[in-house]
Parts: sequence; structure tokens; C-alpha cells
Amino acid sequence: DTGVSQNPRHKITKRGQNVTFRCDPISEHNRLYWYRQTLGQGPEFLTYFQNEAQLEKSRLLSDRFSAERPKGSFSTLEIQRTEQGDSAMYLCASTGRGETQYFGPGTRLLVL
Amino acid sequence: AQKVTQAQTEISVVEKEDVTLDCVYETRDTTYYLFWYKQPPSGELVFLIRRNSFDEQNEISGRYSWNFQKSTSSFNFTITASQVVDSAVYFCALSEAGANNLFFGTGTRLTVIP
Repeated sequence: DTGVSQNPRHKITKRGQNVTFRCDPISEHNRLYWYRQTLGQGPEFLTYFQNEAQLEKSRLLSDRFSAERPKGSFSTLEIQRTEQGDSAMYLCASTGRGETQYFGPGTRLLVL
Repeated sequence: AQKVTQAQTEISVVEKEDVTLDCVYETRDTTYYLFWYKQPPSGELVFLIRRNSFDEQNEISGRYSWNFQKSTSSFNFTITASQVVDSAVYFCALSEAGANNLFFGTGTRLTVIP
């Protein structure tokens, strides 16, 4: 399978705990994106990497959120001190030379 | 500022009917890209089509067709002879040239009744 993969697919955590999600983009895709999708809404942009450089962050990305892409391959998104409002689907996408973003299956987070 | 409006929140059709999903966009850029994605119940966003602002040719792919009209800032999506497997949420999205993100509409939930 050469698509975008995300782990875990589901995560249930208690308020105040830290969580980390992983995204493996399509091989050789140098651009990687994170989005958040809440119920009944379209995905909203969080952050963007070109290779290992984080080039853009949305104002949605509060200081409790941090994303990395240490070797320009996989990426991690960490949420510290989770809040109930963080409950959402977190989607990762990658792009190669074109403009089309290919999405992974998402990580569904529930904060109790 | 960019904006994508999908006015139809939910649509239900009976199998084999044709259905059109509307998308209206706003952008100040002259170069931009428009997309449609399908999100089945499993949650994964499936890419359907990309159009750039300089290509107003309509496109047909099997039962799917897209009508891009810059004059009305619309990029509508038609499914002919709908099938139950078409049931999903469909998102229209916009990307401006040089931007690093897609801006999505709120989606249209399509239910095809057998």
C-alpha cells in the first residue's frame, strides 16, 4: 500500500493527558499537511511541512500543539494537556510535484 | 479572503437518479485550484478531481461530471445514475496559487436510497 497512513486510527484519552499521532506520507512526497475536522465541518488547515521544515502554522495551532517532521519523512502531531474541545478527526495529507493533496484515513480523537 | 460555499447540507435521492452538488467559491487570486473530495463513512478523504482556474473545460469521468464556470464562480459536481455506494459526504475545496493549504466547504451529505 503506497497511500498515506496514520496511526493510531482511534484514540480515547482523558482531559489533561498528552497524545501523539503519526503520519507516514506517500513515499517521496516532500510536502506534508495536517488538518483537523470536527463533526459536520470540512477539514481545517493546521500546519504544513516541506521536507523537514515547518513552513506554515494556522492560528488554530495553539501552543499546546506541536508538529515535527524530523527527517523529512514521517511526521508527528502532539497535543499536550488535551481538552474536550480537541476531540476531532486529525487528517494528514501529502503532495509530490503537483497540487493535489492525498489524504490518510485520519486519527479520531476523543477527549473525555 | 477565500471562501467555499456548499449550500446543500444534505441531499437524498433514489438509486439511479441523477444528482448535482453545488459549490460556489470566492477568491481574489486569478490563479487557483478547485477540488472535489469524497468522504465515505470510513472517514478517509478520497480525491476525485482537480481543476485549475485557467481550464474551464468540463470533465466527465464515468458517471461523474464537473461543470466549472468562472463567470458564476461555481464548480458543480453531477453524479448520473446514482448508486448506493455513492452515499458519502462530498467536499469542494479551493487552493490559491502559492498557498500551502486547501480551504474546504462544509460538505454535502449525499444519501442514495436503494
